[in-house]
Amino acid sequence: GQNIDQPTEMTATEGAIVQINCTYQTSGFNGLFWYQQHAGEAPTFLSYNVLDGLEEKGRFSSFLSRSKGYSYLLLKELQMKDSASYLCAVGSSGNTPLVFGKGTRLSVIA
Amino acid sequence: NAGVMQNPRHLVRRRGQEARLRCSPMKGHSHVYWYRQLPEEGLKFMVYLQKENIIDESGMPKERFSAEFPKEGPSILRIQQVVRGDSAAYFCASFSPRGTGELFFGEGSRLTVL
Repeated sequence: GQNIDQPTEMTATEGAIVQINCTYQTSGFNGLFWYQQHAGEAPTFLSYNVLDGLEEKGRFSSFLSRSKGYSYLLLKELQMKDSASYLCAVGSSGNTPLVFGKGTRLSVIA
Repeated sequence: NAGVMQNPRHLVRRRGQEARLRCSPMKGHSHVYWYRQLPEEGLKFMVYLQKENIIDESGMPKERFSAEFPKEGPSILRIQQVVRGDSAAYFCASFSPRGTGELFFGEGSRLTVL
């Protein structure tokens, strides 16, 4: 089976840095995805990691350690508009659908 | 707009009625997934379809739910004899097997069962 864990809620201050962790157990692995979802809206793609290490994209970075079954999403220079849910999702192999964690609801406060 | 299109965005049904949710994938994509999201919950996989073929329906309830993706036209998720527990947001996502596996989501259809 597959299991994905991430914190339910986090709060951070505008301008600060926040790290959202995700741990997973899967029978196979072909990539880890992070999505952002604002309330009442569709999830939108943020990042994809398939190899160990850090992927940087502007204010957002994502890290993966396959041996530890661990990833994090790092958000820098937080803005109020970053308040959203952040979903960690893992692909197993082939046609297996992405499995999503329950999401971490981030609140950015002034 | 070449994105994933879902309709209706909002649907209200009384218990026992039928709900039909439609999804047109991104241009060039022939694979769609349907996910269900309950309030404060993650996305739960329901079914994976390719044109005229159901690839994986392991996440779909055995009764009352069905899905299709005909050769022409949108994919349809059909819920018969709806119950209050069916109230949720239903998201469709499409992807290209030639890509990274990234899913492109539609805006979702929000079903409310009275």
